[in-house]
Amino acid sequence: QVQLVQSGAEVRKPGASVRVSCKASGYTFTSYDMHWVRQAPGQRLEWMGWINAGNGGTKYSQKFQDRVTITRDKSASTAYMELSSLRSEDTAVYYCARLGAQGRNLDYWGQGTLVTVSS
Amino acid sequence: EIVLTQSPGTLSLSPGERATLSCRASQSVGSSSLAWYQQKPGQAPRLLIYGASSRATGIPDRFSGSGSGTDFTLTISRLEPEDFAVYYCQQYGSSSIFTFGPGTKVDTK
Repeated sequence: QVQLVQSGAEVRKPGASVRVSCKASGYTFTSYDMHWVRQAPGQRLEWMGWINAGNGGTKYSQKFQDRVTITRDKSASTAYMELSSLRSEDTAVYYCARLGAQGRNLDYWGQGTLVTVSS
Repeated sequence: EIVLTQSPGTLSLSPGERATLSCRASQSVGSSSLAWYQQKPGQAPRLLIYGASSRATGIPDRFSGSGSGTDFTLTISRLEPEDFAVYYCQQYGSSSIFTFGPGTKVDTK
């Protein structure tokens, strides 16, 4: 079955960077785009960007364009999201999610990774 | 960029009752681009409905979606105890951008 398993919780100081990983199994990794979505405490879901796991092409939300980098390692069936210049407002749960076959929704989600930014 | 609003913010109902949740878009959205998710505390969202009205794999038929243009609805015909959660609508727009609504919380009356 499809599984997305994310790396564990992280604590960073303001100004630092964080990288979250998402290991996929149960399907052909390169056949589906991988998206990243975050959720600050008590807030709505916020889309950050995606990567074409096959060719590595990316698309980012304008809000995060200057600070986020999404990459993948095909050999490890793993996607990565790196967010730089962290501030307290970046404290959130970060999710990876697979783009569904219809190409317009997210059908499988990772368990989430809590990133806490605090001095 | 299309903005999604959801109403009501909170819906207080009892098990067995019918729940009707609304999602309104600031511009017309293609029906194929509208989805609904359920999220329980401490869990990742779960896809319920895609293409405005198609149930995702394993979703019970008490969940149904409808609507077109700027107005979409998620209906839960008879609430089960496990359905008390937050529900988000999502649209896929031009330039391959995703947008989520603010969510509707369905809680116990």
